[in-house]
Amino acid sequence: KAGVTQTPRYLIKTRGQQVTLSCSPISGHRSVSWYQQTPGQGLQFLFEYFSETQRNKGNFPGRFSGRQFSNSRSEMNVSTLELGDSALYLCASSWGWGATNTEAFFGQGTRLTVV
Amino acid sequence: DAKTTQPPSMDCAEGRAANLPCNHSTISGNEYVYWYRQIHSQGPQYIIHGLKNNETNEMASLIITEDRKSSTLILPHATLRDTAVYYCIGETSGSRLTFGEGTQLTVNP
Repeated sequence: KAGVTQTPRYLIKTRGQQVTLSCSPISGHRSVSWYQQTPGQGLQFLFEYFSETQRNKGNFPGRFSGRQFSNSRSEMNVSTLELGDSALYLCASSWGWGATNTEAFFGQGTRLTVV
Repeated sequence: DAKTTQPPSMDCAEGRAANLPCNHSTISGNEYVYWYRQIHSQGPQYIIHGLKNNETNEMASLIITEDRKSSTLILPHATLRDTAVYYCIGETSGSRLTFGEGTQLTVNP
């Protein structure tokens, strides 16, 4: 079956702009999580959605937001972009929320460059 | 969340077994240990996970000590394509994964 699909793969934006990234989870998976990866901070958890509700949130400013649709697809938005937002943004899908003993599957990520 | 400690880097000869250690002394009794790897610029890839028993799948084996304070991921016959950063993760809340710095495994020909 198809894996996790993230679009676009690459993006260049200017400071102050906003950006929307998209993630389509594996069919049947209802939980979507987002991560930011930078050379300095490594992989950091942004937020998690399950059944269209945010279930968990990392330590990021309010400029970072997300949502999940009824088909489990998810989007994340970053407003008022800063240079430091340049990163690889990764989406992961898993079967359920709060379930132990379940693995997450990651997409290839969206490489965002802010200039 | 269980804090994990891994060596920053390791080398392994192609065809030999790669044994990657992880300390997770603060792990609670119901927290699973997960292993993921990330090949350069790709998304992390799930490898294996376990609770207290040793686990094996087509990719690797996971050996967890009886006191659950440490574990070892074993790649039985490492290939050049196994060169990656390997992350050991103690289970966190929901589906949230807390990644540390991981171990850069380099498989040499």
